[in-house]
Amino acid sequence: DTGVSQDPRHKITKRGQNVTFRCDPISEHNRLYWYRQTLGQGPEFLTYFQNEAQLEKSRLLSDRFSAERPKGSFSTLEIQRTEQGDSAMYLCASSPRGASWFGYTFGSGTRLTVV
Amino acid sequence: TQLLEQSPQFLSIQEGENLTVYCNSSSVFSSLQWYRQEPGEGPVLLVTVVTGGEVKKLKRLTFQFGDARKDSSLHITAAQPGDTGLYLCAGENGTNAGKSTFGDGTTLTVKP
Repeated sequence: DTGVSQDPRHKITKRGQNVTFRCDPISEHNRLYWYRQTLGQGPEFLTYFQNEAQLEKSRLLSDRFSAERPKGSFSTLEIQRTEQGDSAMYLCASSPRGASWFGYTFGSGTRLTVV
Repeated sequence: TQLLEQSPQFLSIQEGENLTVYCNSSSVFSSLQWYRQEPGEGPVLLVTVVTGGEVKKLKRLTFQFGDARKDSSLHITAAQPGDTGLYLCAGENGTNAGKSTFGDGTTLTVKP
């Protein structure tokens, strides 16, 4: 296993366009998390899944943000009608169930720039 | 209100010096993690502390969890340029069970 993979690493998009990011967690990890990080800040929690169930999505920044994990493996994060304020690093992490309090394995992130 | 306050925000030192960075909260945490992040990459887990008063050592890094499980410190001995990075603390507690809350980090620069 090569760890948590995120694709793409970088995305530049025009304001108003939709973007989708993919995350492949460590295969034996059933919890998957999405965080957002802006310059000078720590990661900010967005949403997380246990298998295919989305356990919390209240922190998704607006109704333009949505996430899925249809088969309990990879996950996608979609941002519709992007705005310049969406420019950030989007981080995915995974952990085994019941061991999330031991910490996460993060991917390298997707850097989004909205122009 | 930031749940986890990290200090200092920035720290620049010479190679060979010792340093301590802090992570403080008014809340009790069931566990607390320290991560190191390099520019353009995701955070990498260094250690998890779970018991009040716990001390863990990882080579030149010493991590301590406060007795009341509200604060933590990271001490680096004889810092090296390779220690340069953003040091983040994170934790879970009753108000955010199941997911970690992060501080804003300490940016450490070690000059050769």
